[in-house]
Amino acid sequence: EVQLVESGGGLVQPGRSLRLSCTASGFTFGDYAMSWFRQAPGKGLEWVGFIRSKAYGGTTEYAASVKGRFTISRDDSKSIAYLQMNSLKTEDTAVYYCTRAITTVTTARFDYWGQGTLVTVSS
Amino acid sequence: DIVMTQTPLSLSVTPGQPASISCKSSQSLLHSDGKTYLYWYLQKPGQSPQLLIYEVSSRFSGVPDRFSGSGSGTDFTLKISRVEAEDVGVYYCMQGIHLPFTFGPGTKVDIK
Repeated sequence: EVQLVESGGGLVQPGRSLRLSCTASGFTFGDYAMSWFRQAPGKGLEWVGFIRSKAYGGTTEYAASVKGRFTISRDDSKSIAYLQMNSLKTEDTAVYYCTRAITTVTTARFDYWGQGTLVTVSS
Repeated sequence: DIVMTQTPLSLSVTPGQPASISCKSSQSLLHSDGKTYLYWYLQKPGQSPQLLIYEVSSRFSGVPDRFSGSGSGTDFTLKISRVEAEDVGVYYCMQGIHLPFTFGPGTKVDIK
């Protein structure tokens, strides 16, 4: 059974940093891309970014709203994906979800989602 | 960025009756590989989103066959043949071909 468990959320002040983790099980982690999404309170879904598998170079893509502030990485030996969030803004407040992704060079399908972790950016 | 629109934004359905949601994209979602990268997700109350339909019309693992997807190019439809109480939630369409990947605003479905 595919399982994704996010952790690391919490309350953080504007301008500070936070790192989220996504621990995966039930599949060969290194064979898949991993992605992050977020959902602000009462709002819709927003794609944050993803990291391709090593087979596709392990490269990353980001939404414009987080590019330069957020970094996605992965540790295939531990089956963990990370979302490093720097220079946080109040508008980054959201539930953050990690997902498994099936990607080609230019396309992606996000099939399994974690339960999410809440990040609140407030002074 | 590709803009995804959905209609209606809310839907109240009698159990056992059909329901239909429309999704339109501002650009074609047809890839040169012949596939169309349009997905449907359902977010039940208090839960994370779950994949229902991928590549327009393929049901994901475990999805009941009362859910079906259709369409091509820029116009797509999700149909529920007979709505059940467990189908309540917000339905989102999403495109997975053009970065950044984008969602429709969601259609909230509840039971009459």
